[in-house]
Amino acid sequence: AQKVTQAQTEISVVEKEDVTLDCVYETRDTTYYLFWYKQPPSGELVFLIRRNSFDEQNEISGRYSWNFQKSTSSFNFTITASQVVDSAVYFCALSEATAGGGNKLTFGTGTQLKVEL
Amino acid sequence: DTGVSQDPRHKITKRGQNVTFRCDPISEHNRLYWYRQTLGQGPEFLTYFQNEAQLEKSRLLSDRFSAERPKGSFSTLEIQRTEQGDSAMYLCASSLGTLAMWNEQYFGPGTRLTVT
Repeated sequence: AQKVTQAQTEISVVEKEDVTLDCVYETRDTTYYLFWYKQPPSGELVFLIRRNSFDEQNEISGRYSWNFQKSTSSFNFTITASQVVDSAVYFCALSEATAGGGNKLTFGTGTQLKVEL
Repeated sequence: DTGVSQDPRHKITKRGQNVTFRCDPISEHNRLYWYRQTLGQGPEFLTYFQNEAQLEKSRLLSDRFSAERPKGSFSTLEIQRTEQGDSAMYLCASSLGTLAMWNEQYFGPGTRLTVT
């Protein structure tokens, strides 16, 4: 069975600090996809990034960067120069194929990030 | 607004009553998913539609739960004889279907159900 572990339940930082959110996954599939979602206090999950298992190249998007390491089954997310608006719960998710070609997501338990002034 | 919409946003019901939630996906998306999220947890998969066909159901979806997507557009999720353990946020997501697994799912704002 697939599993996603986000060991950090809550992280508090001061604005402008860098912060890394950890994600470790388990799967027997050779082809899989990983995602990060953000859930602000309003509750709606916002898609941030997807990564497939064949592409271990790190990605940077503005203040966000992602480090995918297949050898350690990790897909970590770093926010550089954090801002108060980054305060949210962040979920890492692993994609598993469903019947008919869809993909269901297995989520971790999330990391609550609090950025304070 | 062209995102996923859900109605109602909040529902309070008494134990034993039936409730129905609606989800309107992004218009061109042929895949629709339902998830349930309880406090402090990540969303858990419930069921999946491709067009009007319900192709997979989780073991979490007891026989009191039923979902439909009659014309391949909006979907409804009904819970019969609600129990306090059904209290949760019910999330709907949609995606554009291709053979690729990596299509990201776009989520609606959710329906928060409270069973008293």
